[in-house]
Amino acid sequence: DVKVTQSSRYLVKRTGEKVFLECVQDMDHENMFWYRQDPGLGLRLIYFSYDVKMKEKGDIPEGYSVSREKKERFSLILESASTNQTSMYLCASAMRPEETQYFGPGTRLLVL
Amino acid sequence: AQTVTQSQPEMSVQEAETVTLSCTYDTSESDYYLFWYKQPPSRQMILVIRQEAYKQQNATENRFSVNFQKAAKSFSLKISDSQLGDAAMYFCAYPGYGGSQGNLIFGKGTKLSVKP
Repeated sequence: DVKVTQSSRYLVKRTGEKVFLECVQDMDHENMFWYRQDPGLGLRLIYFSYDVKMKEKGDIPEGYSVSREKKERFSLILESASTNQTSMYLCASAMRPEETQYFGPGTRLLVL
Repeated sequence: AQTVTQSQPEMSVQEAETVTLSCTYDTSESDYYLFWYKQPPSRQMILVIRQEAYKQQNATENRFSVNFQKAAKSFSLKISDSQLGDAAMYFCAYPGYGGSQGNLIFGKGTKLSVKP
């Protein structure tokens, strides 16, 4: 079974802090994704990566950056956290982007 | 614009009964996948069922089946013999193509409650 893990289930940060969310998958998937989930808005793609060191912007990349130094690990970085980044963050991976994506348990981030 | 629409924000079903969740989508592609994902209160999103558009036969996974109508761009999920553990948010999803390639486009979800 595919396993996608995320570094934290819950996180509380202060406005202006730099925040790192990490995601690791164990199935040698080429593609990894970061989504943001908000009530009434569904899931929105922040960034995705189709290979090591390769990344593409999603629908809402502003205020975020990503890093993929190793195939199994994809990090989401909030350079300077703001209260409007309070949300649930979901990581996913897939062998091909149009095929089944496997999700991690999510990180609920609260920015105060 | 590519969209996925779930017109039922909330649904309720009696335990052991059958419920159908609706989903429509918009695409100009001819071959694609469609997905139903489930997100229980614990928040882990898991795949329920997948349909390949070139296959005319509707996908089935145990108590879960789909009614795929390609011409109508409709992809509904039927849950038979509903169980308490089926209570969750259900999301219909479709892979973005062209400018949104790499994206799964999600509907806004349907919250399913199961009454004992």
